[in-house]
Amino acid sequence: QKEVEQNSGPLSVPEGAIASLNCTYSDRGSQSFFWYRQYSGKSPELIMSIYSNGDKEDGRFTAQLNKASQYVSLLIRDSQPSDSATYLCAVKGLAGGTSYGKLTFGQGTILTVHP
Amino acid sequence: NAGVTQTPKFQVLKTGQSMTLQCAQDMNHNSMYWYRQDPGMGLRLIYYSASEGTTDKGEVPNGYNVSRLNKREFSLRLESAAPSQTSVYFCASTREVRGEAFFGQGTRLTVV
Repeated sequence: QKEVEQNSGPLSVPEGAIASLNCTYSDRGSQSFFWYRQYSGKSPELIMSIYSNGDKEDGRFTAQLNKASQYVSLLIRDSQPSDSATYLCAVKGLAGGTSYGKLTFGQGTILTVHP
Repeated sequence: NAGVTQTPKFQVLKTGQSMTLQCAQDMNHNSMYWYRQDPGMGLRLIYYSASEGTTDKGEVPNGYNVSRLNKREFSLRLESAAPSQTSVYFCASTREVRGEAFFGQGTRLTVV
């Protein structure tokens, strides 16, 4: 089992729709959870971070965390063509825990928002 | 405000050649990472360093060595490059406690 797994893509949604991206992780000791966006040929950039169970909203983005189910998701409301990118889920373990504080990424989900 | 600086941006190597990828950060972060990115594979961890003087293997360490020269710098060395090491390499550093990662601009390496 991979440490961090994302739902298979690619994902295509029409402009204005809600895009839903999902991620599961294997290390129950994980403490920090992130979503990164990566445009083609560019470096990943952080768009959301979440540390406790529940929802966290930032503009059109909502991150959801459920530690019991070891699940984290990202919702993008009112999707725009400029949201077309690869979205990477990342999980950081606690220093001293089984994952020694390292930052592990999923394989990424390619999102296309079509006009 | 430089953040994380990686050099070079592009490199072509012949099989068997060696090279070192350089990375430096000016954010006073303790933790630094080297990842490689291949199509459909996300970012795979090669090595990381939780603090100056310590390094640990990640998911794909074979064929690579690292040096944490000081708190700022973390280099990745390919001793004998192979075509399977053709990839885009990213260096990153993370904030303490919360762990947000900041990335360099990447190195596109081709081994022929």
